[in-house]
Amino acid sequence: GQSLEQPSEVTAVEGAIVQINCTYQTSGFYGLSWYQQHDGGAPTFLSYNALDGLEETGRFSSFLSRSDSYGYLLLQELQMKDSASYFCAVRVDSNYQLIWGAGTKLIIKP
Amino acid sequence: DSGVTQTPKHLITATGQRVTLRCSPRSGDLSVYWYQQSLDQGLQFLIQYYNGEERAKGNILERFSAQQFPDLHSELNLSSLELGDSALYFCASSPGQNDEQYFGPGTRLTVT
Repeated sequence: GQSLEQPSEVTAVEGAIVQINCTYQTSGFYGLSWYQQHDGGAPTFLSYNALDGLEETGRFSSFLSRSDSYGYLLLQELQMKDSASYFCAVRVDSNYQLIWGAGTKLIIKP
Repeated sequence: DSGVTQTPKHLITATGQRVTLRCSPRSGDLSVYWYQQSLDQGLQFLIQYYNGEERAKGNILERFSAQQFPDLHSELNLSSLELGDSALYFCASSPGQNDEQYFGPGTRLTVT
């Protein structure tokens, strides 16, 4: 079967740094995406890694290690508005089909 | 606003009934994806269409079917509804050669 593992919940303090990990076991691998979803809202795209290494976009960075089947999302200078669920998703085929993790709820305390 | 529209926003219906959810992708996007999200769960991929043709199938029940029309809008048909079908149904679109999917606001289906 295909599976993605990520923590169900992470708590951090406003202004701090938090890392959300994702490990995967899939039949195919083209790349790892991260999406953010606020309660009751639609998922929004954050990042995509096809190659090993770190990609930085403002306060958010995403890392991939294909040999370890592992990636993480790093959020810096946390703001209250970053409270949301974060999903990792693996693209498994040439049709851009995504297999999704169950999501990590990020709770930010003042 | 992602540019993807979904109607209706909310739908309440009884068990055994049939409903149709509608999705209009972003202008120019050829791919449409349907997802189901149950309460506090991740997204379950249901089905993908590209330029009118079915491209990939996920965990879609036989009671569910979908199609993409020549104008690229898509419909998801859910029949013989059960209580467990209550969920948020999202549609997403992409240009087809892009890894970023743009999600609509979702349709919240409640089966009573």
